[in-house]
Amino acid sequence: QKEVEQDPGPLSVPEGAIVSLNCTYSNSAFQYFMWYRQYSRKGPELLMYTYSSGNKEDGRFTAQVDKSSKYISLFIRDSQPSDSATYLCAMSAQETGANNLFFGTGTRLTVIP
Amino acid sequence: DGGITQSPKYLFRKEGQNVTLSCEQNLNHDAMYWYRQDPGQGLRLIYYSQIVNDFQKGDIAEGYSVSREKKESFPLTVTSAQKNPTAFYLCASSIRRGGSPLHFGNGTRLTVT
Repeated sequence: QKEVEQDPGPLSVPEGAIVSLNCTYSNSAFQYFMWYRQYSRKGPELLMYTYSSGNKEDGRFTAQVDKSSKYISLFIRDSQPSDSATYLCAMSAQETGANNLFFGTGTRLTVIP
Repeated sequence: DGGITQSPKYLFRKEGQNVTLSCEQNLNHDAMYWYRQDPGQGLRLIYYSQIVNDFQKGDIAEGYSVSREKKESFPLTVTSAQKNPTAFYLCASSIRRGGSPLHFGNGTRLTVT
C-alpha cells in the first residue's frame, strides 16, 4: 500500500464551479500537510501548508485535514481557467532524522471557460 | 526576488555521457533536494542535503551523484550508469529538513537518446 493515495483524474469542471481534490494516507504519524500546484513544464508551487487537523483558508482555497479518517482535501471556490494545473498533496511526520516527505501522484484539473 | 534557479531548462545528451544539472538558491535555506518526476509516478527523491559537505541518498540514488560545497548550490550529475535518465528533474530547498515545506525550482527536462 502506498503511503499517500491521490486520484490522478483528469478532472474537468466549468468555470465558477467548486472543486474538491482529495488524498488519503496510511501513516497515522503524518502531521504536516501541504498542497502544491504545478503548471505544465514548471516546478510545483506551495499553495497551502497545515499542521495537524482542521481547516485553513486562503482566498478561494481551503485545506481540510481529517486525521481520524486519514484524509485531506483542497477546495477551490469560484474556479478559474488559471486554476488549470496538476495539484499535488504532500505530507510528513515529525522529523525522525531522515527526509520523510511523501507526495501523492497529483490530480490534473482543467477549468473550462 | 528569492528563489531557486535550475539550469538549463532543457538538456539533450547522447547515451553514455554524464551530464550535470545546476541548482542554485538564494533563500538561505539549509536543506536542498533533488527529485525526479515521471508521468504517473509522482515525485521520487534522488538525493538530499541538510548542511554543506553532507548529503544522503534518497529512494532512487543509483546512477546519480551530488555535491554540496556551498550552501546555495546543489548540482546533480546524471551518470551513464543511470538506466532511464530521460525525465523531468526538480530541485527544491527548505529551511530545515522534516516538516518544513519545500520550495521548488522550475525544473530541467533531460532527454537522453
